[in-house]
Amino acid sequence: AQSVAQPEDQVNVAEGNPLTVKCTYSVSGNPYLFWYVQYPNRGLQFLLKYITGDNLVKGSYGFEAEFNKSQTSFHLKKPSALVSDSALYFCAVRGNGNNRLAFGKGNQVVVIP
Amino acid sequence: GAVVSQHPSRVICKSGTSVKIECRSLDFQATTMFWYRQFPKQSLMLMATSNEGSKATYEQGVEKDKFLINHASLTLSTLTVTSAHPEDSSFYICSARGRTSSAYNEQFFGPGTRLTVL
Repeated sequence: AQSVAQPEDQVNVAEGNPLTVKCTYSVSGNPYLFWYVQYPNRGLQFLLKYITGDNLVKGSYGFEAEFNKSQTSFHLKKPSALVSDSALYFCAVRGNGNNRLAFGKGNQVVVIP
Repeated sequence: GAVVSQHPSRVICKSGTSVKIECRSLDFQATTMFWYRQFPKQSLMLMATSNEGSKATYEQGVEKDKFLINHASLTLSTLTVTSAHPEDSSFYICSARGRTSSAYNEQFFGPGTRLTVL
């Protein structure tokens, strides 16, 4: 079985401050890890992924995430949050050989001007 | 990046009618397509997975006779909600994964379809 935990329901951060959205996962074998962002009434937009290679992955809109195998984590980070970053963020994992993604429950990020 | 489109983006229908939602991969061949349902401020719930040319695999609790999925070509999948009722009102999102090395490890999502059943 594969699963994702996003422990916080909502993350509030002041504009210009660092943003972190936490994600831990459970999967058999090597994980493929993804972050998506969703704006109201829209589909999911891809931010970044980890498949193999460097543990620090850089993605769209200044976001990055660090794969930590020992802690089974893949936290999303942005050094300086923008008001436009306010959205719903989903972490997802797929185990090697598995056909489907397992999504976390999502985190609502609110960037306060 | 690869693009997935959905049509319509919004649909309002009367109870008892059927609604068809189309999902297209615009610039890649989608060997696998996924249909999700999402309730407000909740995560995506996988309804079914379909591989081109074969029958869809439905998740537990999803009625295959109510949610008909067709994946007739490598660029098109359809979800038909038959005899829709108000409880079927939801946001439906399709996703596709391709056969090329760049697309295989990633799912691309459509913009979603908001279904409202009166």
